[in-house]
This record gives sequence, structure tokens and C-alpha cells, in this order.
Amino acid sequence: QAVLTQPSSLSASLGASASLTCTLRSGINVGTYRIYWYQQKPGSPPQYLLRYRSDSDKQQGSGVPSRFSGSTDASANAGILLISGLQSDDEADYYCMIWHSRAVVFGGGTKLTVL
Amino acid sequence: QVQLVQSGAEVKKPGASVKVSCKASGHTFTTYDINWVRQAPGQGLEWMGWMIPNSGSTGYAQKFQGRVTMTRNISKSTAYMELSSLTSEDTAMYYCASPVGTDAFDIWGQGTMVTVSS
Repeated sequence: QAVLTQPSSLSASLGASASLTCTLRSGINVGTYRIYWYQQKPGSPPQYLLRYRSDSDKQQGSGVPSRFSGSTDASANAGILLISGLQSDDEADYYCMIWHSRAVVFGGGTKLTVL
Repeated sequence: QVQLVQSGAEVKKPGASVKVSCKASGHTFTTYDINWVRQAPGQGLEWMGWMIPNSGSTGYAQKFQGRVTMTRNISKSTAYMELSSLTSEDTAMYYCASPVGTDAFDIWGQGTMVTVSS
């Protein structure tokens, strides 16, 4: 079982909200990890969006709009990237990341399509 | 501003090695760790390891242990990632990335495409 699991694709409408999930493997508690989120557009390196562990331990990337936000769902053992007011420019791949056992682990990525 | 500039694309034959460079500018090179991340065509991100430029200490992903070497030249503000025993599975874009303004990878190089083909 992968350490981090992301749905491979998600579609949402222009102006709506999209909730991207990053599920941690059983036995790895989401509440103990900082989850980092990155956005990647074709032909470009990833860009850091934000970090979230709790409301008291979170950080927005430099210049990242507040309509990008993080949260967790403890019952699902998952980190969540919420994008509100979807714009066409938000269409991209999104990756979650954690530091686990002194190594970096990336989720497989979610391709977000804005309809 | 803070930048990481990588070397150009490489084409290598199976069994060969490749050495990719990552030059830092706009900040003191020894201040921030350098991480290496690769991405095969159409695939996701894969972390390879990190290096502390000040000490030269390294930590490698288990998958690449024994096949990857990360070094640096402080006088040139440049980090290097060498991958040996290349196969077609190593065809990928290779990125260097650093946690500069935060503990995340907030600065990325532009990427170096490595193609392994006979």
C-alpha cells in the first residue's frame, strides 16, 4: 500500500470549489505530519502552494492566493487541499508530500480539470 | 532573486552514468539543503535524496542507494547529482529543489531532461 494515495483525476466547474485528497497509509496518522501541496503545470517544475498540519501549524506559500487552503479529515486519515472559486488557470496536476522516516514521499498526483 | 539553474539535457546509453548540475544564485549556497526529484514522462514526482551543502552530508532514497551520488562545489555554488548504471527506466526530468523561504521545496530548478537510449 502506498504511503500517500491521491485520486488520479478530478473535475470541477469554473467558479466552484474542488477538494483534493491525500490519504495516508493505515498506521500513519495524518495529525502528526505536515502535508505539503504542490501545483504543476505542463512543461514547468512544481510550485509550492502551502503546508498544513493543523490550524496552528500551517503556512501559505509566497504569493499563493487565499482561495487555496489546507485541512485534514482525521476520520479518513487524509490531508485536503481546497481550491475555492476555481479558475481555468487552476487546471494542473497537484501533488501532496510528507517527510516520513527521514525521506520525502510524494503522492501520485491528481490531475484537476476545470470544466 | 533566489534561483537554481540546472545543466542542459543529456542523452546517455544504457549502462552509462550522468551528472547533472544545479547552480544556486541570489543566496548563500551553503545555507539551504539541495534535494533532487525526478519525473518520468507522464508520471509523478519521485524524490531521490538530499544534500547539506555546508557539510556535504547526504541522504538517499532507498531505491537509489548505491547508484546515486550527490556532491557539491562550494566555490562554484553548485550541487551535482550523479546517477550510474542507467537504464531506460531512468529517462526522466531531473529537478533540484531547496527549502529557502520555508521548510517546503519552494525553489526549484528548471529541470534537466535525461534520456537513456541505445
